[in-house]
Amino acid sequence: DAGVIQSPRHEVTEMGQEVTLRCKPISGHDYLFWYRQTMMRGLELLIYFNNNVPIDDSGMPEDRFSAKMPNASFSTLKIQPSEPRDSAVYFCASSFSLKGTGELFFGEGSRLTVL
Amino acid sequence: SQQGEEDPQALSIQEGENATMNCSYKTSINNLQWYRQNSGRGLVHLILIRSNEREKHSGRLRVTLDTSKKSSSLLITASRAADTASYFCATDRYRAGAQKLVFGQGTRLTINP
Repeated sequence: DAGVIQSPRHEVTEMGQEVTLRCKPISGHDYLFWYRQTMMRGLELLIYFNNNVPIDDSGMPEDRFSAKMPNASFSTLKIQPSEPRDSAVYFCASSFSLKGTGELFFGEGSRLTVL
Repeated sequence: SQQGEEDPQALSIQEGENATMNCSYKTSINNLQWYRQNSGRGLVHLILIRSNEREKHSGRLRVTLDTSKKSSSLLITASRAADTASYFCATDRYRAGAQKLVFGQGTRLTINP
């Protein structure tokens, strides 16, 4: 298996633009997580899905952020409009666990810079 | 606040020495996990220890868990330059009807050749 695949790896955009980050989880995994990593706040859980259904989105910063999982092999995290404070590395991770707290497999991340 | 707090924040040792990192948490857990992150890469799972376990080994890694003190330690023996990375503990947390993993701020480990 190729592992969790994220795209793009790097994105530079201007404030106000829409940003879409994409993730393909490992086949067979039923949990998908979106994390954000910054120096100041560390690794923060934004949202996670179980069987394509959002379970906990309490970490989503505000309405500018939205995430979807239309099927078991694809998820998107969208920021509209983007702001400089959204600059971070965004990680997608997937897991096969009945409780959602088993081993997570992370992608390589999408580094977002908002100017 | 973070569920898991690692210390030290940074650790620099000579190759061949042992490295010990600690993690403290605040609420009861079902399991605790340790992850490694190389610079510019994603996190990689190292080891999981359940709340009813006290010690676990995997190669050069040794993890202990003391639920009475709400703390865990990760020991890397005979360190190598390739062990240079950030190490994170993660604990499961139940909130608002959902269970999830919460990561600490991490320990940056540097192995000097």
